[in-house]
Formats: sequence, C-alpha cells, structure tokens
Amino acid sequence: DAGITQSPRYKITETGRQVTLMCHQTWSHSYMFWYRQDLGHGLRLIYYSAAADITDKGEVPDGYVVSRSKTENFPLTLESATRSQTSVYFCASSPTGNQPQHFGDGTRLSIL
Amino acid sequence: GQQVMQIPQYQHVQEGEDFTTYCNSSTTLSNIQWYKQRPGGHPVFLIQLVKSGEVKKQKRLTFQFGEAKKNSSLHITATQTTDVGTYFCAGLGGSNYKLTFGKGTLLTVNP
Repeated sequence: DAGITQSPRYKITETGRQVTLMCHQTWSHSYMFWYRQDLGHGLRLIYYSAAADITDKGEVPDGYVVSRSKTENFPLTLESATRSQTSVYFCASSPTGNQPQHFGDGTRLSIL
Repeated sequence: GQQVMQIPQYQHVQEGEDFTTYCNSSTTLSNIQWYKQRPGGHPVFLIQLVKSGEVKKQKRLTFQFGEAKKNSSLHITATQTTDVGTYFCAGLGGSNYKLTFGKGTLLTVNP
C-alpha cells in the first residue's frame, strides 16, 4: 500500500560520498524504523524513532545518521559511504512500539 | 543482547507437502510477530502472538507461541506455489520497542 514510501528505489554511489535515503509515511504513526537486509543476516535495525525529535540506536548504527523533525519523515544519511554499506534498506512504521510494522518497498543501495 | 534464532534456513518442498519453521529467543518475549517476504519484495506482517501458549490460524497457516514465551513456530499445511518466500519471526522483549528478527526461512515450492 502507498502509506509508506521510500526514495530512491535504487541508488549507486561511490565510497566517501554522502547519501540520504528518504522515508515518508501518511498514517501519522509515532514509531519509525530503519533496517538493512543482507544475505545471511536477515533484517537488522539501524535506528528507530518513537516520535518527532526522539531517535535511538538499533543493532548496527555506526556510519549512519538519522533525524526526525516531522512525524511523517525519517531520513537516513550515510555521511561517508563505505562498500560494507551496500545493502537493501527498509523503512517501517507502526502506531506504537509493540504493534506490527508496515514496511516500505526498500532502497537498493550499491556503493562502488 | 536479545537473539532470535530461526531454523531451518532453507526448505524446499513439493507442492502439497507441509512446512514448518521454528523460532527460539534467548530471552522471554512480550510478543512475537511473523512476516512474509516474497522474492524482490518487502516484509509483510502476517500475525502477532502475545499470550503464553497461544495458537492462531489463518487458513492453512498455524502459528504457535510457546508456554515460556521464548519460542514460536509457523506451520503451513499443503503448501502451494503462492507460499513461496522468506518467513521471518520477530521478537519484542524488554522495555524498549526494538524488534529482533530471526534470519528467516526461505521456502521454495516445486509444482
């Protein structure tokens, strides 16, 4: 469904570049999440946010920065991209922290 | 930290056979959620289990939550080609709201 959208869907960049992945949801969900998915590792939480201006680290936060100035947006920035950050990135949202999460279509990021 | 182990990693079945995937947590969970991801797609929520010993059914899918709230299973009866995908369990525990995902079970079905 179109309630949560990620952009871009595909991105190729070079090591050392800064890249920002966008996530926008229309449900006014309080909680938003960023995951990365890699073969053999499943889904790993990078950062999450309980509300605007409240963010917290997940399992693999190093090399990533997030912000949440508005409830509907939760951008993820790689300040200086490395090849190990090549992955598929999923954004998700939920009304409260213990309710099911709704995932976006993902961003496939390749870092050369 | 909390760990969620899921087995098997892969399962290939003939259409019509049954399929089960198992999930075990290192800590007691407040709830467990199951998601399905089709090839090239995103995870889609299937069900949430909250109570000790809970069993829920969705057509051919049966979900169980263990008595100790540390393990769970998903059983599919008479698989169909539409069941193809990766099934993830995800556990919620402790005082934060971080879901810990298992690595998933990739199910392939031979027609």
